[in-house]
Amino acid sequence: DTEVTQTPKHLVMGMTNKKSLKCEQHMGHRAMYWYKQKAKKPPELMFVYSYEKLSINESVPSRFSPECPNSSLLNLHLHALQPEDSALYLCASSQEGQGAYNEQFFGPGTRLTVL
Amino acid sequence: AQSVTQLGSHVSVSEGALVLLRCNYSSSVPPYLFWYVQYPNQGLQLLLKYTSAATLVKGINGFEAEFKKSETSFHLTKPSAHMSDAAEYFCAVSEPRGYNKLIFGAGTRLAVHP
Repeated sequence: DTEVTQTPKHLVMGMTNKKSLKCEQHMGHRAMYWYKQKAKKPPELMFVYSYEKLSINESVPSRFSPECPNSSLLNLHLHALQPEDSALYLCASSQEGQGAYNEQFFGPGTRLTVL
Repeated sequence: AQSVTQLGSHVSVSEGALVLLRCNYSSSVPPYLFWYVQYPNQGLQLLLKYTSAATLVKGINGFEAEFKKSETSFHLTKPSAHMSDAAEYFCAVSEPRGYNKLIFGAGTRLAVHP
């Protein structure tokens, strides 16, 4: 299985809602990533987990809260978002997160719209 | 600090013509380099990667890229464009040391017309 899956595919939420994005991989990868991609822009790194520990937080607002319950699963909890947070949220994984080179495998993304 | 510059935000070619997408990088150490493709409303798919082995790298779907250290370039080419190649292409750089952060270029949208 060389796939990263993300659910849901689409999400519409109000600014007072709480929702979660889910990402899963079964490739035995030990590093997982969250990216945010606005229209016609490249992906921007948000968080990196390595061996289930948060390794990088790119100064992301606290209304985004990542969680890595186990090595195969990565969540992104959303609370009190703003309309400007509307974007495509991409999850990725790689064999390792530090040191040696590792290519990142991306999921199809969750299209988030904040009303 | 690392950075990636993709020359040309839009490239248009005829079906069957050569595809050339340009990427230049800035890095204090020899980097790892990647090309990703993104089709509309989809995630990113790795086309090819350079990791300090052969300077000419072959990837999927007939694409290849050549690492030129003297020019700090990693341009992507395909001899003959197909309609299905129409997509957004991103060049990315990663340092061999430290965390596996990818720094992306701004992207090039490739259009292929009949």
